[in-house]
Amino acid sequence: AQKVTQAQTEISVVEKEDVTLDCVYETRDTTYYLFWYKQPPSGELVFLIRRNSFDEQNEISGRYSWNFQKSTSSFNFTITASQVVDSAVYFCALSEATSGTYKYIFGTGTRLKVLA
Amino acid sequence: ETGVTQTPRHLVMGMTNKKSLKCEQHLGHNAMYWYKQSAKKPLELMFVYNFKEQTENNSVPSRFSPECPNSSHLFLHLHTLQPEDSALYLCASSQDEYEAFFGQGTRLTVV
Repeated sequence: AQKVTQAQTEISVVEKEDVTLDCVYETRDTTYYLFWYKQPPSGELVFLIRRNSFDEQNEISGRYSWNFQKSTSSFNFTITASQVVDSAVYFCALSEATSGTYKYIFGTGTRLKVLA
Repeated sequence: ETGVTQTPRHLVMGMTNKKSLKCEQHLGHNAMYWYKQSAKKPLELMFVYNFKEQTENNSVPSRFSPECPNSSHLFLHLHTLQPEDSALYLCASSQDEYEAFFGQGTRLTVV
């Protein structure tokens, strides 16, 4: 069965600190997709990144970076030099095709608080 | 027009009322989803539609009734809800294996 685990419920850091959000997933499929979303207080989930299971290359986008390791079934997200605007709930998600349809299974989220 | 639009943004309803949530996507996606987000069980998948056909019903109680008249519109009809159904209801759309785009959600309160 598909499962996404975000063990960190809440993290608080001081502005300019680096922070890593952990994500561990379970799946039986060899083809799958991983995502990170940000949910600010407004409620809308904002897409951050998508990786497919065949591409383990790490990615950097500005202050954001992602570390995908199939050997440990992890897809961790690091924010460098955190800012107050980074405060939000962050969700990791897994997608697989089932009967031709993709569904997205989310972790329970990590609430990040960046203090000024 | 934003990608995925949900109306209303907020809804308060009594347990005997009937109401509907609406979702519209302007992205040309083939799949649409309803998710429920509450404090107890964050982001539960409720229903999935692919080209207007329901492909997933995640054991949702019959007091929630989805409707997908076309690939751009998705409704969630509500009747005789319980207070524990109070939550944020999120609609999303996607195309194949790509990322899902979410609406801003409807904050539902059942009194």
